[in-house]
Amino acid sequence: DSGVTQTPKHLITATGQRVTLRCSPRSGDLSVYWYQQSLDQGLQFLIQYYNGEERAKGNILERFSAQQFPDLHSELNLSSLELGDSALYFCASSVGGVGKTGELFFGEGSRLTVL
Amino acid sequence: AQKITQTQPGMFVQEKEAVTLDCTYDTSDQSYGLFWYKQPSSGEMIFLIYQGSYDEQNATEGRYSLNFQKARKSANLVISASQLGDSAMYFCAMRVPNAGKSTFGDGTTLTVKP
Repeated sequence: DSGVTQTPKHLITATGQRVTLRCSPRSGDLSVYWYQQSLDQGLQFLIQYYNGEERAKGNILERFSAQQFPDLHSELNLSSLELGDSALYFCASSVGGVGKTGELFFGEGSRLTVL
Repeated sequence: AQKITQTQPGMFVQEKEAVTLDCTYDTSDQSYGLFWYKQPSSGEMIFLIYQGSYDEQNATEGRYSLNFQKARKSANLVISASQLGDSAMYFCAMRVPNAGKSTFGDGTTLTVKP
């Protein structure tokens, strides 16, 4: 158990819909990262938050947005869903430092299926 | 920008034998960290081992060791005495200070044969 909690574990929805994925980081971790893992694109970095503020942005679509709340949990919002958005979405947390403390602790992922 | 290359999409190893999973990286930064993660079929990502760019000795964690060759920009994972439970996908990743994200390779699927 990594200590990172993601909900829901599985989600099936239709094209055009909107979903929200939730992540609670490990106790004490200030950084939250979102990654998308699809079969044809590997593990793609979406966005990072550190203590409530956006720190880094990757290949995140404009239809996607995220935020980190004062209690450090984070939400990833996916809207106008397309078939290609079907993927495993990981949340990870870290202390936020460098060196070995840069290791990521991953949640179990939220598997999104868009029909 | 950082780039991780894992050239072995799939590998097979006999139980109890050692196996090396290749990873090469590219970065212009002098300070960076290299990580290996394991993803079993159940889907979760598990941290295995870390190597810092200034570490003079290769990292070891139990049956895992990292063969770090800085001049060649390689960070190969060596798994000794393979077990059936080692069958999984393995990802090499890099992180540089203040970059935020970790960059991952495409992964190598390891199958351990009994």
